[in-house]
Amino acid sequence: SQKIEQNSEALNIQEGKTATLTCNYTNYSPAYLQWYRQDPGRGPVFLLLIRENEKEKRKERLKVTFDTTLKQSLFHITASQPADSATYLCALGGSGYALNFGKGTSLLVTP
Amino acid sequence: SAVISQKPSRDICQRGTSLTIQCQVDSQVTMMFWYRQQPGQSLTLIATANQGSEATYESGFVIDKFPISRPNLTFSTLTVSNMSPEDSSIYLCSVGPYRDEQFFGPGTRLTVL
Repeated sequence: SQKIEQNSEALNIQEGKTATLTCNYTNYSPAYLQWYRQDPGRGPVFLLLIRENEKEKRKERLKVTFDTTLKQSLFHITASQPADSATYLCALGGSGYALNFGKGTSLLVTP
Repeated sequence: SAVISQKPSRDICQRGTSLTIQCQVDSQVTMMFWYRQQPGQSLTLIATANQGSEATYESGFVIDKFPISRPNLTFSTLTVSNMSPEDSSIYLCSVGPYRDEQFFGPGTRLTVL
């Protein structure tokens, strides 16, 4: 069955450092992969999308890589700030519009 | 972009009762989705609701338990029927895609006693 795995443990980093979150998947060939941010009590907010034929995408302090051979995506936040503290979800999409989500990784950036 | 509101934001219900969750979008959209997020779990798609047609349910979800209405292009409801404590969850509606984005509502936090 399809499986999406994200770092199960919370990631604690110091302000200014780069946070790297991992999303691995099995039994799946996604057409694209998305990353979302979710704050407590709120719905997910879209951050970035990367397609299967793209290796890397950037948006301001965010960078996503997508390795379809390793079946892995890495999500980087450079120069992290306490305001970046949240849960980050990866989601895989195929030919339809429905998304398959991972459980998310909690990120805590401390001053 | 799209702004989505949901009602209620949270509720505490007794087992055996039903709750209807409303989702309102500030623009007309073709596709709306209903997700469930159980504690410590990932978001799971319940169904896709297109205006003018029956909702399409994912494996493990049935219409009798989660009836959905989609009366127009800006509104949908999800009913959680004959609730049990296992239905305690956050229920989210979403719309999209708009240039690859999906937009999510704030969610409805349901607790069943």
